[in-house]
Amino acid sequence: NAGVMQNPRHLVRRRGQEARLRCSPMKGHSHVYWYRQLPEEGLKFMVYLQKENIIDESGMPKERFSAEFPKEGPSILRIQQVVRGDSAAYFCASSPGRPMNTEAFFGQGTRLTVV
Amino acid sequence: EDKVVQSPLSLVVHEGDTVTLNCSYEVTNFRSLLWYKQEKKAPTFLFMLTSSGIEKKSGRLSSILDKKELFSILNITATQTGDSAIYLCAVHTGTASKLTFGTGTRLQVTL
Repeated sequence: NAGVMQNPRHLVRRRGQEARLRCSPMKGHSHVYWYRQLPEEGLKFMVYLQKENIIDESGMPKERFSAEFPKEGPSILRIQQVVRGDSAAYFCASSPGRPMNTEAFFGQGTRLTVV
Repeated sequence: EDKVVQSPLSLVVHEGDTVTLNCSYEVTNFRSLLWYKQEKKAPTFLFMLTSSGIEKKSGRLSSILDKKELFSILNITATQTGDSAIYLCAVHTGTASKLTFGTGTRLQVTL
């Protein structure tokens, strides 16, 4: 059973370009969470999705950021018109249900560098 | 706003030492507290604590939660260089679907 798979592992974008980060949850997991980790900081929640639904996007910046988890395929975190401040590690986690009784399993992260 | 504070921020010990990492929290509608170990990549799950006073143990690691004083500790005995990592504490609250993380404690174990 493969773990949470994120790709790419490293992504370099110029300012103004778009970044697309992908996350395939663990088999059997239908809940996906995206977190961002800035250098020397803890993980900050961005968005929680179930298949075809955004459940909680309270941590997502209002502009330029969007997320989806389609019926088929991975979850995508999309950042339009990237700026230097978007440089961070973006982690995806999945769980079989809401993490009230189970832990969430994290992927290896995508390190985004904006130059 | 939910808050999770970890201390110390960083720690350097010699192999064989015992360390205690602290995590305090101020949240609404607490559900569980989780500890993760983060090396250079994915945070890996260590413990989930929901009840006060019950120690969870896994090898040389153990953790306990105090819901009255709103804190948890993570103990590592007989530390090894492989324990060097960032240890993250996170709290799950029932009204939200997210985990609120502390900034972590960076542990370095030297020979």
